[in-house]
Amino acid sequence: EAGVAQSPRYKIIEKRQSVAFWCNPISGHATLYWYQQILGQGPKLLIQFQNNGVVDDSQLPKDRFSAERLKGVDSTLKIQPAKLEDSAVYLCASSLGGLEGDTQYFGPGTRLTVL
Amino acid sequence: GEDVEQSLFLSVREGDSSVINCTYTDSSSTYLYWYKQEPGAGLQLLTYIFSNMDMKQDQRLTVLLNKKDKHLSLRIADTQTGDSAIYFCAGRASGGYNKLIFGAGTRLAVHP
Repeated sequence: EAGVAQSPRYKIIEKRQSVAFWCNPISGHATLYWYQQILGQGPKLLIQFQNNGVVDDSQLPKDRFSAERLKGVDSTLKIQPAKLEDSAVYLCASSLGGLEGDTQYFGPGTRLTVL
Repeated sequence: GEDVEQSLFLSVREGDSSVINCTYTDSSSTYLYWYKQEPGAGLQLLTYIFSNMDMKQDQRLTVLLNKKDKHLSLRIADTQTGDSAIYFCAGRASGGYNKLIFGAGTRLAVHP
């Protein structure tokens, strides 16, 4: 079974530029999560989709971050414009459902460096 | 809301046991998790424990849960160099749709 795929693996941009990350979850997984992991910290949930609807985006900085999950499969996370403090690893995860206890499977992440 | 705390670093000798500790604040967390992260990789689920259990054993891994003290620990028996990684404790946020709250992670270094 293929795991969660993410691209690109690395991205370096200058502040105020835009960037987009892509995630392909495990086939059949209805729930998709985007986490931000700043160096030295644990992952923090940015947004959670159930199929193509958002169920939690309470920690998403909506003035600069946006995400979509068209057709309930792939997802993109965009930052526009980027700030220095956005430097982090962006992890995508998926689970079969959104119920408590459903195992979340993580992709390898995209490491973003903002200069 | 949920808050999870871990010690940041642990160094052990190969073959010894490792014990990684975690404390959490939200007693409504029904599941508590341990994830492993190797350099440049995503998080890998190691094990989890349901809140009505005190202990769970899975091969070299033993999870202990003290609900009274809100303390969770992960014991790795016969620690190997391949166990060197960052270990994250996570609990479910109350009211969230399977939203996990992670600790800052414990870096485990295994030396010969």
